[in-house]
Amino acid sequence: AQKITQTQPGMFVQEKEAVTLDCTYDTSDPSYGLFWYKQPSSGEMIFLIYQGSYDQQNATEGRYSLNFQKARKSANLVISASQLGDSAMYFCAMRPMDSNYQLIWGAGTKLIIKP
Amino acid sequence: GAVVSQHPSRVICKSGTSVKIECRSLDFQATTMFWYRQFPKKSLMLMATSNEGSKATYEQGVEKDKFLINHASLTLSTLTVTSAHPEDSSFYICSAPTSSGNEQYFGPGTRLTVT
Repeated sequence: AQKITQTQPGMFVQEKEAVTLDCTYDTSDPSYGLFWYKQPSSGEMIFLIYQGSYDQQNATEGRYSLNFQKARKSANLVISASQLGDSAMYFCAMRPMDSNYQLIWGAGTKLIIKP
Repeated sequence: GAVVSQHPSRVICKSGTSVKIECRSLDFQATTMFWYRQFPKKSLMLMATSNEGSKATYEQGVEKDKFLINHASLTLSTLTVTSAHPEDSSFYICSAPTSSGNEQYFGPGTRLTVT
């Protein structure tokens, strides 16, 4: 079965520190995509970063990077130099092959940045 | 990045009435859009896939006669909650993938309260 697992329901991190949010996935598809989204208290889902299964390099977008370890089936999100505005729910998602763009979602991690 | 709008952002209606929620892709065409429901502190639950020019595909357990979906054009999908009841109160959010599928953008969500 295809599945996304986020094992950290909540995390507290000191401002300016780096933070790693864990995500593991389960699929037998040879091709898939991995996404991370941020959901602040306002409710909007903000697209952060995408990693394709065949991408050779880890995706990066500003302070966000995705630590893609294909053999371990993990796609952890790394946020460098955390800011108070990073406090939010973070969701990892996977787009399986031939899914018509449907995403499979993890349960989310609530990140709180402490001043 | 691409923008998806959703209207209204909040709606309060009386039990038994119907509510229409609009989802628009503002600067790209979306032949597919997704409708989700999100309960407090939970992940997204896919309700249905909206397909331009054809019938929506509903997830198991979602009543198609209660949650009517119409994908009228390449930029507009609507979700109508018919004969709403208090248990339909929730946060509804739509998303639209870009043609590559490597990005999927979300509307800001609609908070529905049925009294």
